[in-house]
Amino acid sequence: DVVMTQSPLSLPVTLGQPASISCRSSQSLVYSDGNTYFHWFQQRPGQSPRRLIYKVSNRDSGVPDRFSGSGSGTDFTLKISRVEAEDVGVYYCMQSTHWPRSFGQGTKLEIK
Amino acid sequence: EVQLVESGGDVVQPGGSLRLSCVASGFTFSSYAMHWVRQAPGKGLEYVSAISRNGVSTFYANSVKGRFTISRDDSKNTLYLQMGSLRSEDMGVYYCARDWLHDYWGQGTLVTVSS
Repeated sequence: DVVMTQSPLSLPVTLGQPASISCRSSQSLVYSDGNTYFHWFQQRPGQSPRRLIYKVSNRDSGVPDRFSGSGSGTDFTLKISRVEAEDVGVYYCMQSTHWPRSFGQGTKLEIK
Repeated sequence: EVQLVESGGDVVQPGGSLRLSCVASGFTFSSYAMHWVRQAPGKGLEYVSAISRNGVSTFYANSVKGRFTISRDDSKNTLYLQMGSLRSEDMGVYYCARDWLHDYWGQGTLVTVSS
């Protein structure tokens, strides 16, 4: 099974400052069709998960452009250029290249 | 507007059964693979099961294989998860999600396993 390892697991950030979350997979996430099925989700307190980024770097509709995704192969990063209060929550990475699909442990972003 | 509405969560005794439903609207349900993902209280996300858009292919996490059955009724735009031999570790919020890329999620339904 593919293990997804996120870091850090806790991320205190000052409002207006940048934030970065790393996710590493135990196997390459490049599928046979050439695509990399790696995604980022945000779960605000009391809410269901919401997809932010799909296939490494594609931002979902309605997601602010302060969120960006990058990476390749086994190493991926989510960056928030300037953290706002509404960004508080838990961020999960996920791979849908291999079975079983797997999630990272989650990174809890809080305002310092 | 895409909507996924789960239901069926309840309090059930260990060893009991439960059927969850996820009613879809706002898109052509039959054109999409569907998934169940769960979240134990205070914990992270765990992938549970998937079904292809034609229902021919299904997948189960090892933790639920042989106990849970995923199915779909395209005429009712509904996804199901039949859960059996429930254990305390099956407790949590169960979400349905659309597509191989998990683009939309429901609000979840809570399953409590307790005697």
